[in-house]
Amino acid sequence: KQEVTQIPAALSVPEGENLVLNCSFTDSAIYNLQWFRQDPGKGLTSLLLIQSSQREQTSGRLNASLDKSSGRSTLYIAASQPGDSATYLCAAFPYNQGGKLIFGQGTELSVKP
Amino acid sequence: DTEVTQTPKHLVMGMTNKKSLKCEQHMGHRAMYWYKQKAKKPPELMFVYSYEKLSINESVPSRFSPECPNSSLLNLHLHALQPEDSALYLCASSQGSRDREIAKNIQYFGAGTRLSVL
Repeated sequence: KQEVTQIPAALSVPEGENLVLNCSFTDSAIYNLQWFRQDPGKGLTSLLLIQSSQREQTSGRLNASLDKSSGRSTLYIAASQPGDSATYLCAAFPYNQGGKLIFGQGTELSVKP
Repeated sequence: DTEVTQTPKHLVMGMTNKKSLKCEQHMGHRAMYWYKQKAKKPPELMFVYSYEKLSINESVPSRFSPECPNSSLLNLHLHALQPEDSALYLCASSQGSRDREIAKNIQYFGAGTRLSVL
């Protein structure tokens, strides 16, 4: 059964810093991996989706990588801004769990001015 | 337009009330989802509809009753809820033409309904 872990659970950085959020999954048999952002009390916003055949995806200051062999994905945020403060969730879509996304517990990011 | 609209934004109900949550999308998506999210936790899948048919029910108690009247609309009917059902309820949709192809498509989430059961 697929399990997804995100480390760290919380992260505080000064504005302008480049940072990396980590996501690991136990079973490499996945269709894709998706990164979401969630602001307090709000819904989820999809940031990037990486198909299993891809190694990375980029959108603006965000870059997500996928290494299925090691069961890891990273979300790189360049030149962080206070507006990046939110909870970031990764979710794996495994072959054998009835079509459901498996979410990590999230990383709560705070970017200080 | 990548918008999934959920109403109401907030709902307070007593344990004997009957209420409904509504979710609407106009992206032509054929897969729609209900999730429940408690504070500081990731979303938990409740139901999936594919082509207006229920395809996944994650052993959700019968006091939650989903309905998909058409391809754009998804409802969640609530009856005799418990205080522990208080949570953020999220709706999502994806393009999903067949079960395996659901996996290739991004899920778009609504802003959620904050439910409080007294």
